[in-house]
Amino acid sequence: QQQVKQSPQSLIVQKGGISIINCAYENTAFDYFPWYQQFPGKGPALLIAIRPDVSEKKEGRFTISFNKSAKQFSLHIMDSQPGDSATYFCAASMAWNDMRFGAGTRLTVKP
Amino acid sequence: GAVVSQHPSWVICKSGTSVKIECRSLDFQATTMFWYRQFPKQSLMLMATSNEGSKATYEQGVEKDKFLINHASLTLSTLTVTSAHPEDSSFYICSARATSGRYEQYFGPGTRLTVT
Repeated sequence: QQQVKQSPQSLIVQKGGISIINCAYENTAFDYFPWYQQFPGKGPALLIAIRPDVSEKKEGRFTISFNKSAKQFSLHIMDSQPGDSATYFCAASMAWNDMRFGAGTRLTVKP
Repeated sequence: GAVVSQHPSWVICKSGTSVKIECRSLDFQATTMFWYRQFPKQSLMLMATSNEGSKATYEQGVEKDKFLINHASLTLSTLTVTSAHPEDSSFYICSARATSGRYEQYFGPGTRLTVT
């Protein structure tokens, strides 16, 4: 069953623009929400993660916004660059448990 | 830190043969390792969870006898695809969670399996 819903499926952004990817989860027991970046033919790499006790976390150009009441979280990529073109996956998990992934968003940043 | 390797990175085998894929945590000990399968342009599908020294736990619909998982040490897990068929062709990715960690999973680079 799909426990994490991700949108959009694909996204095209101009260089320097803001990329926004959204995820919604169902299981209120989830307490860890990471975002992964995956380039073609490579494994996913952890980008940034958040716990539900904070509403926002920023690392460089990447920001996670978290809305516990709405059971939603999003990834914002500021000043998007062509090198950011990749597939992004949101995920959710509980401590000591496996991770549930969203369907992925293919981001293309046009120069 | 937190590097996970996979070997081989790609493999081509004939239908009916078996293929073994290794997953190693290089700079940390991993009590738990996960095996995923990914089809082109799709998300990661969890196949099984393995804990060191224990039998793997398989997700619903994953054939235990076809996808043999062994997690014999804190740094090595193996996935053996037995009697491979063309429909087993896929990208297989492992991840590892450090013994000291509750959440973070570190992924390997993946293994591209093509069965002819």
